[in-house]
Amino acid sequence: NAGVMQNPRHLVRRRGQEARLRCSPMKGHSHVYWYRQLPEEGLKFMVYLQKENIIDESGMPKERFSAEFPKEGPSILRIQQVVRGDSAAYFCASSWGRLAGEETQYFGPGTRLLVL
Amino acid sequence: DQQVKQNSPSLSVQEGRISILNCDYTNSMFDYFLWYKKYPAEGPTFLISISSIKDKNEDGRFTVFLNKSAKHLSLHIVPSQPGDSAVYFCAASSSGSARQLTFGSGTQLTVLP
Repeated sequence: NAGVMQNPRHLVRRRGQEARLRCSPMKGHSHVYWYRQLPEEGLKFMVYLQKENIIDESGMPKERFSAEFPKEGPSILRIQQVVRGDSAAYFCASSWGRLAGEETQYFGPGTRLLVL
Repeated sequence: DQQVKQNSPSLSVQEGRISILNCDYTNSMFDYFLWYKKYPAEGPTFLISISSIKDKNEDGRFTVFLNKSAKHLSLHIVPSQPGDSAVYFCAASSSGSARQLTFGSGTQLTVLP
Protein backbone atom coordinates (compact mmCIF):
# COMPACT_ATOMS: atom_id res chain seq x y z
CA ASN A 1 0.00 0.00 0.00
CA ALA A 2 1.74 3.13 -1.22
CA GLY A 3 -0.85 5.52 0.20
CA VAL A 4 -0.89 7.60 3.37
CA MET A 5 -1.45 5.39 6.38
CA GLN A 6 -2.97 6.41 9.66
CA ASN A 7 -3.52 4.46 12.83
CA PRO A 8 -5.49 3.80 14.77
CA ARG A 9 -8.58 4.28 12.62
CA HIS A 10 -10.74 4.67 15.71
CA LEU A 11 -9.67 5.75 19.17
CA VAL A 12 -11.76 6.05 22.31
CA ARG A 13 -10.43 7.96 25.28
CA ARG A 14 -11.86 9.16 28.56
CA ARG A 15 -11.54 12.79 29.54
CA GLY A 16 -8.07 13.54 30.87
CA GLN A 17 -6.33 10.73 29.01
CA GLU A 18 -3.78 11.15 26.24
CA ALA A 19 -4.39 10.42 22.57
CA ARG A 20 -1.60 9.55 20.13
CA LEU A 21 -2.37 9.55 16.42
CA ARG A 22 0.15 8.22 13.92
CA CYS A 23 0.67 9.01 10.25
CA SER A 24 3.02 7.44 7.73
CA PRO A 25 3.26 9.55 4.56
CA MET A 26 3.29 8.23 1.03
CA LYS A 27 6.60 6.76 -0.04
CA GLY A 28 8.97 9.53 -1.04
CA HIS A 29 6.94 12.29 0.62
CA SER A 30 8.67 14.31 3.30
CA HIS A 31 5.96 16.92 3.93
CA VAL A 32 3.15 16.10 6.35
CA TYR A 33 0.03 18.11 7.19
CA TRP A 34 -2.55 17.44 9.89
CA TYR A 35 -6.17 18.55 9.57
CA ARG A 36 -9.13 18.21 11.88
CA GLN A 37 -12.79 17.84 10.96
CA LEU A 38 -15.17 18.61 13.78
CA PRO A 39 -18.73 17.24 13.53
CA GLU A 40 -20.77 19.08 10.87
CA GLU A 41 -17.78 21.19 9.82
CA GLY A 42 -15.17 21.23 7.05
CA LEU A 43 -11.52 20.26 7.38
CA LYS A 44 -9.31 22.76 9.18
CA PHE A 45 -5.53 22.95 8.99
CA MET A 46 -3.63 22.26 12.20
CA VAL A 47 0.09 21.81 11.58
CA TYR A 48 2.66 21.32 8.80
CA LEU A 49 5.88 19.37 9.37
CA GLN A 50 8.90 18.26 7.45
CA LYS A 51 11.30 15.68 8.76
CA GLU A 52 12.37 16.76 12.27
CA ASN A 53 10.92 20.25 11.83
CA ILE A 54 7.63 21.97 12.55
CA ILE A 55 7.17 24.48 9.75
CA ASP A 56 3.78 25.96 10.60
CA GLU A 57 1.62 25.20 13.63
CA SER A 58 -0.66 28.19 13.32
CA GLY A 59 -3.79 26.06 13.24
CA MET A 60 -3.02 24.00 16.30
CA PRO A 61 -4.46 24.84 19.73
CA LYS A 62 -1.73 26.32 21.90
CA GLU A 63 -2.30 23.96 24.81
CA ARG A 64 -2.46 20.18 25.06
CA PHE A 65 -1.68 19.59 21.35
CA SER A 66 1.75 18.78 19.95
CA ALA A 67 3.11 17.21 16.78
CA GLU A 68 6.36 15.70 15.65
CA PHE A 69 7.83 14.08 12.58
CA PRO A 70 11.05 12.33 13.60
CA LYS A 71 13.86 11.35 11.29
CA GLU A 72 12.73 7.76 11.51
CA GLY A 73 9.15 6.63 11.93
CA PRO A 74 5.74 8.15 11.50
CA SER A 75 4.48 11.61 12.32
CA ILE A 76 2.70 11.76 15.67
CA LEU A 77 -0.11 14.09 16.72
CA ARG A 78 -0.40 14.04 20.48
CA ILE A 79 -3.32 15.38 22.49
CA GLN A 80 -2.85 15.52 26.24
CA GLN A 81 -5.69 15.59 28.78
CA VAL A 82 -8.37 15.17 26.15
CA VAL A 83 -11.74 16.88 26.51
CA ARG A 84 -15.06 16.10 24.83
CA GLY A 85 -14.52 18.95 22.36
CA ASP A 86 -11.50 17.08 20.94
CA SER A 87 -13.84 14.45 19.49
CA ALA A 88 -13.33 14.73 15.76
CA ALA A 89 -11.82 13.09 12.69
CA TYR A 90 -8.11 13.82 12.35
CA PHE A 91 -6.66 13.54 8.86
CA CYS A 92 -3.06 13.44 7.80
CA ALA A 93 -1.93 14.42 4.30
CA SER A 94 1.45 14.25 2.61
CA SER A 95 3.11 15.86 -0.40
CA TRP A 96 6.44 15.86 -2.23
CA GLY A 97 7.05 19.49 -1.47
CA ARG A 98 5.74 23.02 -1.80
CA LEU A 99 6.93 23.93 -5.27
CA ALA A 100 4.81 23.86 -8.41
CA GLY A 101 4.14 20.28 -9.41
CA GLU A 102 4.96 18.94 -5.95
CA GLU A 103 2.28 20.48 -3.85
CA THR A 104 -0.71 18.14 -4.24
CA GLN A 105 -1.63 16.68 -0.87
CA TYR A 106 -2.84 13.11 -0.56
CA PHE A 107 -4.87 12.15 2.46
CA GLY A 108 -4.96 9.18 4.74
CA PRO A 109 -8.18 7.51 5.93
CA GLY A 110 -8.26 9.48 9.17
CA THR A 111 -8.42 8.68 12.86
CA ARG A 112 -11.79 9.13 14.51
CA LEU A 113 -11.29 10.19 18.10
CA LEU A 114 -14.14 9.86 20.54
CA VAL A 115 -13.74 11.32 24.01
CA LEU A 116 -16.15 9.95 26.59
CA ASP B 1 -14.05 34.48 7.90
CA GLN B 2 -14.66 31.80 5.27
CA GLN B 3 -12.05 32.24 2.59
CA VAL B 4 -13.37 29.34 0.50
CA LYS B 5 -17.11 28.93 0.09
CA GLN B 6 -19.27 26.25 -1.40
CA ASN B 7 -22.73 27.74 -1.29
CA SER B 8 -24.65 24.64 -2.35
CA PRO B 9 -24.73 22.04 0.42
CA SER B 10 -26.30 19.51 -1.93
CA LEU B 11 -26.86 18.73 -5.60
CA SER B 12 -28.85 15.97 -7.29
CA VAL B 13 -28.22 14.98 -10.90
CA GLN B 14 -29.52 12.26 -13.17
CA GLU B 15 -27.09 9.56 -14.25
CA GLY B 16 -25.44 10.43 -17.56
CA ARG B 17 -25.99 14.18 -17.20
CA ILE B 18 -23.47 16.83 -16.23
CA SER B 19 -22.74 17.68 -12.59
CA ILE B 20 -21.47 21.20 -11.92
CA LEU B 21 -20.10 22.00 -8.50
CA ASN B 22 -19.17 25.56 -7.65
CA CYS B 23 -16.70 27.22 -5.32
CA ASP B 24 -15.89 30.85 -4.55
CA TYR B 25 -12.84 32.25 -2.77
CA THR B 26 -11.93 35.62 -1.31
CA ASN B 27 -8.16 35.43 -0.78
CA SER B 28 -6.38 36.75 -3.88
CA MET B 29 -3.15 35.11 -2.69
CA PHE B 30 -4.50 31.65 -3.46
CA ASP B 31 -2.69 30.26 -6.49
CA TYR B 32 -3.43 26.55 -6.41
CA PHE B 33 -6.85 24.94 -6.24
CA LEU B 34 -7.92 21.36 -5.75
CA TRP B 35 -11.05 19.25 -5.68
CA TYR B 36 -11.41 16.28 -3.37
CA LYS B 37 -14.11 13.67 -3.12
CA LYS B 38 -15.01 12.16 0.23
CA TYR B 39 -17.06 9.17 1.27
CA PRO B 40 -18.28 8.81 4.87
CA ALA B 41 -15.66 7.41 7.25
CA GLU B 42 -12.90 7.77 4.65
CA GLY B 43 -10.27 10.38 3.91
CA PRO B 44 -10.57 12.90 1.06
CA THR B 45 -9.52 11.51 -2.31
CA PHE B 46 -7.72 13.88 -4.67
CA LEU B 47 -9.56 14.38 -7.96
CA ILE B 48 -8.07 17.25 -9.93
CA SER B 49 -6.20 20.50 -9.43
CA ILE B 50 -5.49 23.72 -11.25
CA SER B 51 -2.82 26.36 -10.97
CA SER B 52 -3.75 30.03 -11.16
CA ILE B 53 -1.78 30.37 -14.40
CA LYS B 54 -4.39 28.24 -16.15
CA ASP B 55 -8.12 28.60 -16.61
CA LYS B 56 -8.98 24.99 -17.37
CA ASN B 57 -7.69 21.54 -16.55
CA GLU B 58 -9.19 18.29 -17.72
CA ASP B 59 -8.75 14.71 -16.57
CA GLY B 60 -11.11 12.13 -18.01
CA ARG B 61 -14.66 12.90 -16.93
CA PHE B 62 -13.50 15.73 -14.65
CA THR B 63 -12.82 19.30 -15.74
CA VAL B 64 -12.01 22.21 -13.47
CA PHE B 65 -12.52 25.80 -14.62
CA LEU B 66 -10.93 28.79 -12.90
CA ASN B 67 -12.16 32.36 -13.28
CA LYS B 68 -9.64 34.48 -11.41
CA SER B 69 -11.37 37.80 -11.96
CA ALA B 70 -14.54 36.41 -10.37
CA LYS B 71 -12.58 34.36 -7.82
CA HIS B 72 -14.65 31.38 -8.83
CA LEU B 73 -13.94 27.80 -9.79
CA SER B 74 -16.15 24.96 -10.83
CA LEU B 75 -15.87 21.21 -11.26
CA HIS B 76 -17.70 19.56 -14.14
CA ILE B 77 -18.33 15.83 -14.15
CA VAL B 78 -19.50 14.40 -17.45
CA PRO B 79 -21.16 11.95 -17.65
CA SER B 80 -22.19 11.60 -14.03
CA GLN B 81 -22.32 8.09 -12.58
CA PRO B 82 -23.98 6.75 -9.42
CA GLY B 83 -20.50 5.99 -8.01
CA ASP B 84 -19.79 9.73 -8.10
CA SER B 85 -22.24 10.24 -5.23
CA ALA B 86 -20.11 11.67 -2.41
CA VAL B 87 -19.23 14.95 -0.72
CA TYR B 88 -17.02 17.16 -2.87
CA PHE B 89 -14.65 19.64 -1.26
CA CYS B 90 -12.97 22.55 -2.93
CA ALA B 91 -9.60 23.58 -1.42
CA ALA B 92 -7.07 26.32 -2.05
CA SER B 93 -3.51 27.16 -1.07
CA SER B 94 -0.95 29.90 -1.65
CA SER B 95 2.79 29.76 -2.29
CA GLY B 96 3.25 32.51 0.27
CA SER B 97 2.09 30.24 3.04
CA ALA B 98 3.16 26.77 4.02
CA ARG B 99 0.81 25.42 1.35
CA GLN B 100 -1.76 24.45 3.93
CA LEU B 101 -5.14 23.86 2.37
CA THR B 102 -8.18 25.99 3.14
CA PHE B 103 -11.31 23.96 2.51
CA GLY B 104 -14.86 24.81 1.61
CA SER B 105 -17.70 23.26 3.57
CA GLY B 106 -18.45 20.68 0.89
CA THR B 107 -21.29 19.81 -1.50
CA GLN B 108 -23.12 16.50 -1.27
CA LEU B 109 -23.58 15.19 -4.82
CA THR B 110 -26.21 12.55 -5.42
CA VAL B 111 -26.33 10.93 -8.85
CA LEU B 112 -29.67 9.27 -9.41
CA PRO B 113 -29.83 6.10 -11.53
